[in-house]
Amino acid sequence: GAVVSQHPSWVICKSGTSVKIECRSLDFQATTMFWYRQFPKQSLMLMATSNEGSKATYEQGVEKDKFLINHASLTLSTLTVTSAHPEDSSFYICSARQGDYNSPLHFGNGTRLTVT
Amino acid sequence: SQQGEEDPQALSIQEGENATMNCSYKTSINNLQWYRQNSGRGLVHLILIRSNEREKHSGRLRVTLDTSKKSSSLLITASRAADTASYFCATDAYNDYKLSFGAGTTVTVRA
Repeated sequence: GAVVSQHPSWVICKSGTSVKIECRSLDFQATTMFWYRQFPKQSLMLMATSNEGSKATYEQGVEKDKFLINHASLTLSTLTVTSAHPEDSSFYICSARQGDYNSPLHFGNGTRLTVT
Repeated sequence: SQQGEEDPQALSIQEGENATMNCSYKTSINNLQWYRQNSGRGLVHLILIRSNEREKHSGRLRVTLDTSKKSSSLLITASRAADTASYFCATDAYNDYKLSFGAGTTVTVRA
């Protein structure tokens, strides 16, 4: 089955530093990947749609300069949280779709980011 | 993008009982999907039901879709402790292929 690998699974960083999260589709090519953010006991909030070879599409209210997304290949998308602050602490999850819009999303296991 | 609403927010049942949760959404959809999330993990896809389908089964899972009421239900039969998780519905709106997730139902199955 389709597998999405996300790394790291958790990271602790100091305020002001940047953190990169990787999302890989291991056994399929993903022209589109999605990045979500989840607060404790809440739903997933779509942050951006990552498109291979082009700029990401950000949802309203998401800062492009803070959450840099790069989709350099058909199997890798990265999310960089720049100049992280404690309020950026959250659970970040990536996903990818193998097939058309009637196909399910395959999710990574998420990254728990804690900014101290 | 739209977001579904689920109820109940939380559900506690005894092993062997059935669990039912509901999802409502706002606009026309291509399909509706149900996912499960174990604590601190990513989501796992359970079932996708297309807008022209009314009911779908997968093992102990049964999903219904009523597009006239813009609602769906997920039934887990003969629940097990391993079914303890949060369950989310997600809608893929017509002409908008991004998935929007509901608030989720937290299910606790007591042994």
